[in-house]
Amino acid sequence: GAGVSQSPSNKVTEKGKDVELRCDPISGHTALYWYRQRLGQGLEFLIYFQGNSAPDKSGLPSDRFSAERTGESVSTLTIQRTQQEDSAVYLCASSFTRTGARETQYFGPGTRLLVL
Amino acid sequence: AQSVTQLGSHVSVSEGALVLLRCNYSSSVPPYLFWYVQYPNQGLQLLLKYTSAATLVKGINGFEAEFKKSETSFHLTKPSAHMSDAAEYFCAVSASYNQGGKLIFGQGTELSVKP
Repeated sequence: GAGVSQSPSNKVTEKGKDVELRCDPISGHTALYWYRQRLGQGLEFLIYFQGNSAPDKSGLPSDRFSAERTGESVSTLTIQRTQQEDSAVYLCASSFTRTGARETQYFGPGTRLLVL
Repeated sequence: AQSVTQLGSHVSVSEGALVLLRCNYSSSVPPYLFWYVQYPNQGLQLLLKYTSAATLVKGINGFEAEFKKSETSFHLTKPSAHMSDAAEYFCAVSASYNQGGKLIFGQGTELSVKP
């Protein structure tokens, strides 16, 4: 079946512009996660959705970052007034079940964001 | 709080040699542990996971890992490296049960395989 998809695959923007990154999870997966991977570093957790609610937003680095999920499906990560330090690969993952801790997370290919 | 340390950001082995990638974790609760692989320009793919059943876990592509509670380790091994194993490998621990399973990742180990 179809995996997690993300769009766009690449995004180049100018400092100060807003960007929207989209994630389509695997159908039926109730849990959805956003992570960020900066060059040469591991993955950092950003936000977790269970259904359409976000019980854990602890990883969002500033109030310029926000995310929403609708219909227990598509999620959008928005970065306002982008800064050069926002340049990274943004990865989305989804999984079954409402507990999540032992479930496999399936990752999308990522969106590579470059802020000039 | 949970954390993961991967020893060695780069590991190089010869084709046919043993692969050993080290991972140590810190967790205040019994952990769930994962190894993911990332091939160039691709997303992460699960290699294997430990979820408190057998301590020796077998994964895809001939990889396995052993959970050792006394050493707080979950090292990844493969008896014989193949050129196609060249990739970046991430060890991760799942956050405590009431945090929805967010993953805490190590910094990654890049594996190179020499012919």
